[in-house]
Amino acid sequence: DTGVSQDPRHKITKRGQNVTFRCDPISEHNRLYWYRQTLGQGPEFLTYFQNEAQLEKSRLLSDRFSAERPKGSFSTLEIQRTEQGDSAMYLCASSRTGTEGNYGYTFGSGTRLTVV
Amino acid sequence: AQSVTQPDIHITVSEGASLELRCNYSYGATPYLFWYVQSPGQGLQLLLKYFSGDTLVQGIKGFEAEFKRSQSSFNLRKPSVHWSDAAEYFCAVGSRTSGTYKYIFGTGTRLKVLA
Repeated sequence: DTGVSQDPRHKITKRGQNVTFRCDPISEHNRLYWYRQTLGQGPEFLTYFQNEAQLEKSRLLSDRFSAERPKGSFSTLEIQRTEQGDSAMYLCASSRTGTEGNYGYTFGSGTRLTVV
Repeated sequence: AQSVTQPDIHITVSEGASLELRCNYSYGATPYLFWYVQSPGQGLQLLLKYFSGDTLVQGIKGFEAEFKRSQSSFNLRKPSVHWSDAAEYFCAVGSRTSGTYKYIFGTGTRLKVLA
């Protein structure tokens, strides 16, 4: 078990470009979460998957954002037509059903996006 | 609405001194409470958690926290701080709505340790 992996660690993109991030959760974890953390703030919930089903999306997730978890394993988060306000750390976390309250999530190291 | 407040944005302590980081929460039921630590450019590491039972919980790296329902607080403590403890600390409450287990985080407290 290598923990939650996120790729890339850093991404610099020009405004208007599309970017895609990948998250590989812990293998036996069926739940996967995306959070966004802007400078000086705590992480904020974006979306949640149970297996391959996306069960909840935050209002923070505009139409330019899309997340998938096609086979219930890894997940991708795509941002289309990036804006400078999208600059943030994007954190992925995973958990196993029924353990979130007891053990907490396991977070990845995040992908830091800078839009120039 | 659920919320978490960390009133101290920055705290500076000398190495070897004691530490207390404050956290207040607003939640309708018995909360699940967590403290996470984040080193620069890194993800979050779980320090400790509370969901029931003994209100004084022990965590990793010598940290402990005490749940006080009457004060809606979950303050983090360490008796003797080490230089490697310099990081940002986040308090979070676990909120279960519509079957989704979300965390609501505070804005964090950045800890600086003086040699």
